Formats: sequence, structure tokens, C-alpha cells
Amino acid sequence: NAGVTQTPKFRVLKTGQSMTLLCAQDMNHEYMYWYRQDPGMGLRLIHYSVGEGTTAKGEVPDGYNVSRLKKQNFLLGLESAAPSQTSVYFCASTALRDRHSGANVLTFGAGSRLTVL
Amino acid sequence: DQQVKQNSPSLSVQEGRISILNCDYTNSMFDYFLWYKKYPAEGPTFLISISSIKDKNEDGRFTVFLNKSAKHLSLHIVPSQPGDSAVYFCGHGSSNTGKLIFGQGTTLQVKP
Repeated sequence: NAGVTQTPKFRVLKTGQSMTLLCAQDMNHEYMYWYRQDPGMGLRLIHYSVGEGTTAKGEVPDGYNVSRLKKQNFLLGLESAAPSQTSVYFCASTALRDRHSGANVLTFGAGSRLTVL
Repeated sequence: DQQVKQNSPSLSVQEGRISILNCDYTNSMFDYFLWYKKYPAEGPTFLISISSIKDKNEDGRFTVFLNKSAKHLSLHIVPSQPGDSAVYFCGHGSSNTGKLIFGQGTTLQVKP
């Protein structure tokens, strides 16, 4: 059981290039998320999905697009990369609820480090 | 505008003592709050949560307190251990929409 797998783990891009980050989960989870982590800014939600074929904007969606064509995959695309998108990107998924609070308990991937020059 | 704020970037505590991590929020519409822990080069992992209708939830050495009038959340770790050294993120979420927002994180260092 691999959990949440992010591809690639590292990538260096030039300004203006495009790329896609792939998130795959094998837990049959309904909800999937993309976050970015930056020093002093914490984890910020980019986009999320509550089911196959659905997507919603998070806190910082500009410059990113997402697709959830298959339940197990959630793709994050950068059409024209900018240095401000240099970050560590985390994907997460959930179908679990904490029995005390009803909170969605997320399983995170190990992260994808992206550098835009 | 950040909806969840962790105003202390770092905290250093002696082993065996209590660690108190704090979090403030602005939006009362979310129906649960939670804490995640993150080690370097790994993804965050779930630690503990609390429903917005509760004041306290305890799990072993970890207790989360919710003060709704002050819009304040805190995590108490007693006793603190060196293995607790990590970045801690507080967050809040909606069971209906699935949206889950985190704060900036607090780096905890527990000294032996």
C-alpha cells in the first residue's frame, strides 16, 4: 500500500516553462488537496477536489490549474512558471473522519520540490 | 489575509517540561480544528483534532484546547520529549465543503 505518491520529487524549471505535478493515491479516497509550503507562510491551500471530476479553489489558486479525471489522480499544472512558484508542493488525500471531531484526517505525500529560475 | 495565524515561529522547551503551541483564527464557520506535525523532508502527519462544539480533547501526552470566544486554539504537550521536535501546523476545516486551511507553523525544539 503506497499511500500518496507525488511525481516528480524534484524539478528545476526556467521562467515561462510549463509542467505538471502528479499525485496518485491508492486508498480510494474521495478528497484530494494540493498545498504549497514556503518559509514563514506555512501550508497554503492551492486547489482541492471532493470527488472525481470536481475541483475547487483554495487560498492561492492563481497561476495553477488542476484536474481530477480519475479518482486516484490529482494533477497540478503550471502553465507558465514564475520564480514566485518556487516552493515545496504537498499533495494529500482523505476519506477518513476522526471519530472525536469529524475532522478530515489527511494523508500527505512526501512533497515535490520545485525551483523556478 | 491568513485565516489561521500561528504568531510564534519557534519555541524551545526543556525535555520533560510542558510545550504550549498557540493558534488564532478569524473565521468561525469551520466545524473542526486540528494539529499536524511535520519532520524535515517528510509530509505532515495528523496529531489531534477537536470539534468546534468542544472545549478540550486529550490524547495521551497531547491536549488541544479551544476558546471560541477568543478564537484561540492551543496544543499542550506534557511531558515534552526530544522526538517531539518538529514543525507544528494548526488548521481548521469544514466537513461539508472539505476545505482545510493551515497556519504558518511553529517550530518546536525540545532540548535533552
